[in-house]
Amino acid sequence: AQSVAQPEDQVNVAEGNPLTVKCTYSVSGNPYLFWYVQYPNRGLQFLLKYITGDNLVKGSYGFEAEFNKSQTSFHLKKPSALVSDSALYFCAVRDDDSNYQLIWGAGTKLIIKP
Amino acid sequence: DSGVTQTPKHLITATGQRVTLRCSPRSGDLSVYWYQQSLDQGLQFLIQYYNGEERAKGNILERFSAQQFPDLHSELNLSSLELGDSALYFCASSGMSGIPNTGELFFGEGSRLTVL
Repeated sequence: AQSVAQPEDQVNVAEGNPLTVKCTYSVSGNPYLFWYVQYPNRGLQFLLKYITGDNLVKGSYGFEAEFNKSQTSFHLKKPSALVSDSALYFCAVRDDDSNYQLIWGAGTKLIIKP
Repeated sequence: DSGVTQTPKHLITATGQRVTLRCSPRSGDLSVYWYQQSLDQGLQFLIQYYNGEERAKGNILERFSAQQFPDLHSELNLSSLELGDSALYFCASSGMSGIPNTGELFFGEGSRLTVL
């Protein structure tokens, strides 16, 4: 069965520094991977996805994610963090054995300090 | 603004009661998904409808039911409510193709249910 893990409950970064939010996955076939962001008291918003092609995927708000097949990882990155990036970030993988539903990670709270 | 509308935004009720949550998907989207988000269980998929038909079922309790109407809006009915049902309930919609799921879901802002 497909699964996804976000090993960090919380990540703290100083404003202006690069940030990384980690995600690892387990799939039986080709992975379809996604990142979503949830701002306080809001619904989730799609950030980016990897289906095939370049290992570096660019998304909204200056975020990008690096797909690494050998390490089964799909880490979210941003070169320079903003205070407004503080939010809850979810990684997800599509489960092709379960009618293509998304399997969600537990979420990582990102805190950017001024 | 995702284009997905959920009502009510907040709901407080008592154990044993029944509530209905409503979702209007983005214009043109045929798929509607319901999710439950709680502090201890994260984001849990409940059920998906595509063009009025149930497409996939996740961890939805028997006390819960949903449907999608001809105008594509959806309702999630929660009955015999328990304290543990207190959570945020999200609706999401996606584009015209129900399968395969390309993963780009558009979420509403959620309905926060508190069961006292």
